Amino acid sequence: GNSVTQMEGPVTLSEEAFLTINCTYTATGYPSLFWYVQYPGEGLQLLLKATKADDKGSNKGFEATYRKETTSFHLEKGSVQVSDSAVYFCALTRNYGGSQGNLIFGKGTKLSVKP
Amino acid sequence: GAGVSQSPRYKVAKRGQDVALRCDPISGHVSLFWYQQALGQGPEFLTYFQNEAQLDKSGLPSDRFFAERPEGSVSTLKIQRTQQEDSAVYLCASSLGQLRNYEQYFGPGTRLTVT
Repeated sequence: GNSVTQMEGPVTLSEEAFLTINCTYTATGYPSLFWYVQYPGEGLQLLLKATKADDKGSNKGFEATYRKETTSFHLEKGSVQVSDSAVYFCALTRNYGGSQGNLIFGKGTKLSVKP
Repeated sequence: GAGVSQSPRYKVAKRGQDVALRCDPISGHVSLFWYQQALGQGPEFLTYFQNEAQLDKSGLPSDRFFAERPEGSVSTLKIQRTQQEDSAVYLCASSLGQLRNYEQYFGPGTRLTVT
């Protein structure tokens, strides 16, 4: 079936450190891939997405590249800030032609950034 | 404009009670999803509506769970005879439609605690 596996947290980094959160997926067909972020006390927000192989999604200094050959969508940021402290979820949707289905999420990775 | 709203934000129910959780999607959004997020886990799909039609209810964990969207806008998730394992955050998301480029926007969730 379709599933998402992401690295377990929590991840604790110092400000300005490099961030990688690994995400791999299992899916039939050609899923779209997403990173969602949940800041403390807030709802889920879309951080970035990629809809086909080799696409790179980017937002707020975060990047992830859709790698079909390794079925991966790792999240990276070159220099994290305290304000990046949150829980990050990797997710996919199955696609049916031009339509998308429901989101399938990983378990989430909690990131804490210390000043 | 207004985002997705959910009410109540918090609900405590005694085991065996029925509860009803409300979702107000973004105006004009055709697609509506319900997800269940257990503590420390990623959200899991429950059910999907396109307008008033419930097209997928494969994620509902038991026949105690029932969802409706009678006029194609507001949706209610009802849980009958609540059990402790129903304790979770229930998330609602809406999108313009099913096309692959349409983002799902999440509400803040309803935290259900069954005692």
